[in-house]
Amino acid sequence: EDQVTQSPEALRLQEGESSSLNCSYTVSGLRGLFWYRQDPGKGPEFLFTLYSAGEEKEKERLKATLTKKESFLHITAPKPEDSATYLCAVHAATGNTPLVFGKGTRLSVIA
Amino acid sequence: EAQVTQNPRYLITVTGKKLTVTCSQNMNHEYMSWYRQDPGLGLRQIYYSMNVEVTDKGDVPEGYKVSRKEKRNFPLILESPSPNQTSLYFCASSFRTGNTEAFFGQGTRLTVV
Repeated sequence: EDQVTQSPEALRLQEGESSSLNCSYTVSGLRGLFWYRQDPGKGPEFLFTLYSAGEEKEKERLKATLTKKESFLHITAPKPEDSATYLCAVHAATGNTPLVFGKGTRLSVIA
Repeated sequence: EAQVTQNPRYLITVTGKKLTVTCSQNMNHEYMSWYRQDPGLGLRQIYYSMNVEVTDKGDVPEGYKVSRKEKRNFPLILESPSPNQTSLYFCASSFRTGNTEAFFGQGTRLTVV
């Protein structure tokens, strides 16, 4: 069964304090790994797609990396506006199986 | 503006009263899906559709129906809602299944009493 585990569940950072969020996955052939940001009461907003081990993507203070078993979302010098829940999801290569989401990491950045 | 539009945003209803949550996208996407989001359980897929007249069950389809008669619309139907269907619902669309990003609607908060 395809599974996605995100850690930590919650993370509190001071403004400027860099850190990383983890997404571990087990899937029968990875078709794509996705990172989303979700603000309270809103729909998830797409951030990155990663397709193969070794791939990296960057956007402003965020950088996503991928290995064969996990992905990291690195946040460099975060600001309060980076506070949100970050969701990881995977799509398996077998058939049209649903996108499997992790439960998310709730990030709070304190000024 | 490219978007996925859900209606209504908030709904309180009684057990057993049929309801429909509408979803429409203006990006000519082939793939559409419905999710529910519950505290501690994350996002779980209810149904998905790969194209017009093609729908399939996700992880938690019990108690829900969908239809895809037009490419842009993908309504979620609760024939006889029950309190355990109280949740936050999201519709999503993407160009095709699998390795393309999904665009999500604003969400529908449903309460069944």
